[in-house]
Amino acid sequence: QVQLVQSGAEVKKPGASVKVSCKASGYTFTSYGISWVRQAPGQGLEWMGWISAYNGNTNYAQKLQGRVTMTTDTSTSTAYMELRSLRSDDTAVYYCAREYNWFDPWGQGTLVTVSS
Amino acid sequence: QSALTQPASVSGSPGQSITISCTGTSSDVGSYNLVSWYQQHPGKAPKLMIYEVSKRPSGVSNRFSGSKSGNTASLTISGLQAEDEADYYCCSYAGSSTFDAFFGGGTKLTVL
Repeated sequence: QVQLVQSGAEVKKPGASVKVSCKASGYTFTSYGISWVRQAPGQGLEWMGWISAYNGNTNYAQKLQGRVTMTTDTSTSTAYMELRSLRSDDTAVYYCAREYNWFDPWGQGTLVTVSS
Repeated sequence: QSALTQPASVSGSPGQSITISCTGTSSDVGSYNLVSWYQQHPGKAPKLMIYEVSKRPSGVSNRFSGSKSGNTASLTISGLQAEDEADYYCCSYAGSSTFDAFFGGGTKLTVL
């Protein structure tokens, strides 16, 4: 079955970087894009950006431009999201999702906690 | 670009029907038939319930239906069941040079 499995929880200090992985299985990885969506504690969903697994093209949400980088490794069907210069308000669960003008399925989520 | 507008909460009794609205603008909901809806239970990842305004993925109950009129999309759940209690989010796209996704603020559905 189509599945996305993400890396484990992270605790980072303010100013540091975090890189979350998302391993896809059950479909042709390069036929879809991958989006990243985050959810701060008790808050709603926020789209962070998208990467084409076919050619690596990216589209980042304006508020994260300059701090986020999304990449893929087609040899392992894995997508990565790196967020730099972390702040306390980056504390959230980060999800990857296969995208085709909608998001399905979603990974299980990765909790990133930013705390000094 | 602001998030799409959803009611913070809705409620209904088992067996009843409820509708959750998702209001955008002529630049997002009104421009594209790309509204999707997601169900999220506490501590779980979101699950796709409706895509392209009114299409249901395989495995999703036909009690869930979607529609759109102008700049407002709607999710209707008929025959409410206890397991439908969850948060629901709408999503649409906007943009010309870039094509960005935007979520609604979410609606908490309580089954009384």
